Amino acid sequence: KQEVTQIPAALSVPEGENLVLNCSFTDSAIYNLQWFRQDPGKGLTSLLLIQSSQREQTSGRLNASLDKSSGRSTLYIAASQPGDSATYLCAVRRNTGGFKTIFGAGTRLFVKA
Amino acid sequence: DAGITQSPRHKVTETGTPVTLRCHQTENHRYMYWYRQDPGHGLRLIHYSYGVKDTDKGEVSDGYSVSRSKTEDFLLTLESATSSQTSVYFCAISGFSGPSYEQYFGPGTRLTVT
Repeated sequence: KQEVTQIPAALSVPEGENLVLNCSFTDSAIYNLQWFRQDPGKGLTSLLLIQSSQREQTSGRLNASLDKSSGRSTLYIAASQPGDSATYLCAVRRNTGGFKTIFGAGTRLFVKA
Repeated sequence: DAGITQSPRHKVTETGTPVTLRCHQTENHRYMYWYRQDPGHGLRLIHYSYGVKDTDKGEVSDGYSVSRSKTEDFLLTLESATSSQTSVYFCAISGFSGPSYEQYFGPGTRLTVT
């Protein structure tokens, strides 16, 4: 059974700091991995999607990497801003059994001005 | 933003009453999903659909049923609502185009069962 874990559960950093959020999964038979952002009381916004054959994806100040063999993904945020404060979720899509998606519990990020 | 709407956005209902939540998309995506989000449990898949009239169970499907009679609409029904079904419900869609099966989420429905 696929399990997705995100560490840390919460993180507080000063503005301008570079930071890394971690996501680990137990079954390497994945189709893709997707990072989301969720603001309080809102829906999820897709940030980056990495296919199982890819190693990383970049969008602006965000860079996500994937190491299937070790069951890990990281989301790197450069030069953090107060507007980056949100909960970040990773989600792993299986490549069998209906392509179901399993979510991690998320990392709550607070960037202090 | 992906064209996904959910209705109602908020609902309060009594235990034992039936409730139907609606998800509507304008993207013509093949896959549609219903999730619930609860503190301490994160997002969990209830049911999903891979085409009109084609649906399958997720990890927390007990007490829920779904229907998809048109590509654009995916309905979630609580046959007899219970307090344990108080939650925020999210609909999502995905389709094979470009970054394949990227999921896009609706704004959510907050359901309270009293």
